[in-house]
Amino acid sequence: AQSVTQLGSHVSVSEGALVLLRCNYSSSVPPYLFWYVQYPNQGLQLLLKYTSAATLVKGINGFEAEFKKSETSFHLTKPSAHMSDAAEYFCAVSEGFGNEKLTFGTGTRLTIIP
Amino acid sequence: EAGVTQSPTHLIKTRGQQVTLRCSPISGHTSVYWYQQALGLGLQFLLWYDEGEERNRGNFPPRFSGRQFPNYSSELNVNALELEDSALYLCASSLDPGTGFEQYFGPGTRLTVT
Repeated sequence: AQSVTQLGSHVSVSEGALVLLRCNYSSSVPPYLFWYVQYPNQGLQLLLKYTSAATLVKGINGFEAEFKKSETSFHLTKPSAHMSDAAEYFCAVSEGFGNEKLTFGTGTRLTIIP
Repeated sequence: EAGVTQSPTHLIKTRGQQVTLRCSPISGHTSVYWYQQALGLGLQFLLWYDEGEERNRGNFPPRFSGRQFPNYSSELNVNALELEDSALYLCASSLDPGTGFEQYFGPGTRLTVT
C-alpha cells in the first residue's frame, strides 16, 4: 500500500528565505510522486512531478524537488520565498498502471512573514 | 486550453437528500477521478473512471456512485446525504495511463449538508 507523510502541518518562513517542505513516501513499487499547491477556496495546481527520469525535478514558480530513494523522500524547496507562495502544499504518490489513484499527505500550510 | 470544470460551485442540501455533481475533463483526457476533501480528513480518493468504466474505488460506502459519459464528462452521485458528507469535492482528469499520470484538478464543488 502506498502512503505519504508530510512533516510539519504549518511552516513559516521570512520573505526571501529558503522554503523547505518535507515529504516521505511508502510504496511497494517504484513510485510516481507529485507536489500540488492549493490556494484558499481553489482546487489543486500541479507544481511538479517525478516519474523515474531525473531525480532533481524543476517545477513552476521556482520550486524544485529531489527524489531520494534511499531516504524515501521527495522534499520540496524554493531558494527565496515570495509572499505569493503562501498556500497549502500537498505531496502525493501514485503507483500507476492500474493503481492511478493519488494518495495525499495531510498537507503543509506555508506562511510567509514579510 | 480550458481546464477541468465542475458544477455547481456551491451546494447546500439537507440530510437524507440526494446530490449530483458534474465534471468536464480537459479536452483529450479520458480518465476522470473524484476526491473528497473534508475538514480534518484530508484528501481522499473516491472513484476513477476511464473510457466509461469504473476502474477503482476508494473506501467509501455504496451511496457514493458515479458514471462517465461517452464524451468523458462525469457525474458523482451521493444518496442519503449525511452531515459528514460536507466537504469540497474535487474532480481531476488525466490522459491515458502511461503518460506520466499527472492529474489536473478542477476548482471543486463545496457541498454543505445541514
